Amino acid sequence: SQQGEEDPQALSIQEGENATMNCSYKTSINNLQWYRQNSGRGLVHLILIRSNEREKHSGRLRVTLDTSKKSSSLLITASRAADTASYFCATAYNNNDMRFGAGTRLTVKP
Amino acid sequence: KAGVTQTPRYLIKTRGQQVTLSCSPISGHRSVSWYQQTPGQGLQFLFEYFSETQRNKGNFPGRFSGRQFSNSRSEMNVSTLELGDSALYLCASSLAAVDYEQYFGPGTRLTVT
Repeated sequence: SQQGEEDPQALSIQEGENATMNCSYKTSINNLQWYRQNSGRGLVHLILIRSNEREKHSGRLRVTLDTSKKSSSLLITASRAADTASYFCATAYNNNDMRFGAGTRLTVKP
Repeated sequence: KAGVTQTPRYLIKTRGQQVTLSCSPISGHRSVSWYQQTPGQGLQFLFEYFSETQRNKGNFPGRFSGRQFSNSRSEMNVSTLELGDSALYLCASSLAAVDYEQYFGPGTRLTVT
């Protein structure tokens, strides 16, 4: 079973716009991670946010974490065509079992 | 540093056969995890190895097994293949545990006919 659930399932925007994806999870966590996957390839780690952090930035990425609501959001600013990919949130369930959400499929149109 | 490598990249097998997939982690990484990715079930955790010991296991039948060698390289084996085992199998390595940043290989795409 999956620990995280992303929302929306799919998102289509124009280049230059911002994209926001949300993730909800079920149990308490040590940290939450976001990954990107291009077209059936391996995943690439984007950012890790710890449970005692509320916001984290990395380049054009901004991640927030609300542990009271068990939710996180990933914001990609000034999107580019190269950002087209699937984005997954992941949490370690019981610190051992890594669970990924179903993913958000982002399409950025040039 | 070389990334995570997986071999083979593509594989076609027949129902009932068995298959072994290989993963070489990033040098210095001791934790190796395996995942199955299918369109229907998404990314599912298979198991994690650390220092040659299986530390965690997902909800998969006993046909799925693995091992880790002293150099941290890992193999997973699927016996008595079923059509539903067709998937992308991803290996990931991290320094110490699954909740550390994981580095993924390109995956092995297994097709069972």
